[in-house]
Amino acid sequence: DTAVSQTPKYLVTQMGNDKSIKCEQNLGHDTMYWYKQDSKKFLKIMFSYNNKELIINETVPNRFSPKSPDKAHLNLHINSLELGDSAVYFCASSYWDGSLNTEAFFGQGTRLTVV
Amino acid sequence: RKEVEQDPGPFNVPEGATVAFNCTYSNSASQSFFWYRQDCRKEPKLLMSVYSSGNEDGRFTAQLNRASQYISLLIRDSKLSDSATYLCVVRSGNQFYFGTGTSLTVIP
Repeated sequence: DTAVSQTPKYLVTQMGNDKSIKCEQNLGHDTMYWYKQDSKKFLKIMFSYNNKELIINETVPNRFSPKSPDKAHLNLHINSLELGDSAVYFCASSYWDGSLNTEAFFGQGTRLTVV
Repeated sequence: RKEVEQDPGPFNVPEGATVAFNCTYSNSASQSFFWYRQDCRKEPKLLMSVYSSGNEDGRFTAQLNRASQYISLLIRDSKLSDSATYLCVVRSGNQFYFGTGTSLTVIP
């Protein structure tokens, strides 16, 4: 009964391909996030969704698109993969009602390698 | 300017030592503060939340100074198992901002 689960754990693909990473949370949280952790280990926010509405979209290439079929899922689709996309991608979730601030819970990460 | 600034280290300390990590944040309206731990090739996990009055959890003590926008983590009696990267995290609204992390290695 993993709280935040993402698949696949490892993904090796060629440049130019399109791939998706799936994320699901069973915590009843209302906000989900995608983070990118590069070789320098810095966690950079890519997207967050609150109640199926995109509320933050940092300056990431439009080749990256988040898709949320419901509030328990936030998938990441990447078009035309490039070498620089190689990184670890983490999904996370949290709850926010403006006053009660919980921490973020992370999935195990997807290690993407573009060759 | 980064939202959260941390000394990346590395910190290499002997077992039993006391070590302190610090970070500063830029948004004075930030609401919640945390320390996360990340082991090699693993996801970040909450170590402890940081409260205004300071809080302690076993060998770990966290402190917050809102006036200085400064957060600290003190680890006493370091264990080999404490070796990891420690991430300072600040929440502003629905957004979490992470520091670059401080690497700790506890040496036998």
